Amino acid sequence: EPEVTQTPSHQVTQMGQEVILRCVPISNHLYFYWYRQILGQKVEFLVSFYNNEISEKSEIFDDQFSVERPDGSNFTLKIRSTKLEDSAMYFCASSGQLSHSPLHFGNGTRLTVT
Amino acid sequence: DQQVKQNSPSLSVQEGRISILNCDYTNSMFDYFLWYKKYPAEGPTFLISISSIKDKNEDGRFTVFLNKSAKHLSLHIVPSQPGDSAVYFCAARWPSNYKLTFGKGTLLTVNP
Repeated sequence: EPEVTQTPSHQVTQMGQEVILRCVPISNHLYFYWYRQILGQKVEFLVSFYNNEISEKSEIFDDQFSVERPDGSNFTLKIRSTKLEDSAMYFCASSGQLSHSPLHFGNGTRLTVT
Repeated sequence: DQQVKQNSPSLSVQEGRISILNCDYTNSMFDYFLWYKKYPAEGPTFLISISSIKDKNEDGRFTVFLNKSAKHLSLHIVPSQPGDSAVYFCAARWPSNYKLTFGKGTLLTVNP
C-alpha cells in the first residue's frame, strides 16, 4: 500500500538555525498538509497546500515557516530560525481528489531544538 | 478552543470485550468525522470515517456512530484485541479544504 514518507525521522538543531523537513506524499494525491504535535498535546494543523499554493494556514504558521513543492514528488516544510518551542513531532499528510478521501500521514519527524 | 473533545484520556478493557471511545464536537460545519489510531513513534493511521449525513458506518470490528443532534460520535471495537492498544484520535473535517481538527486522543489498553 502506498505511504507517505518523511525524512529525517529525528532532527536536532540549535536555536536560530534553519531546518527543512522533507516529505514524499502518496503519488496521485493532490492535497498536502503539515501538522505538528508538541509532546503531550493534540495534533495541530499548520498548513494545507493545493494546486501549488497554500490554501490555508494556522496562527502557528507565521513568517518563520514556509512550504514548497520543488518538484513533482517532494513537499517540504522550512523553519527559518528555530525556537525552543518549535520542538515537536511534525507530520506530513496527503489526501486524494475524492471528497471522502481520508488524510494519510507519514511517521513524522521529531524536531528537537536545543 | 476545543472544537473536538475526547474527555477520556485513557480506557482499559479486557480482550474480547467491547471498547467504546467517545468524542464530542462543537461546530456543526464539519462534514466528515474520522478516527485515527496511533502507535508510539508512528504517524496517525486512518481507521474509519463517517459522513455528517450518516449515523452509522461499519467496517469489520469497527463501527462509528454519529449523533448529530448531540454533536457526539463514538467508535466501537468488538471484539477488542491486544493489538488494538494504541492512542485513538477523533478528527473532524472542514468542508472547505479538508483540514482536520483533532481531539486530544484516548489511550486504549486491551488486556489479554
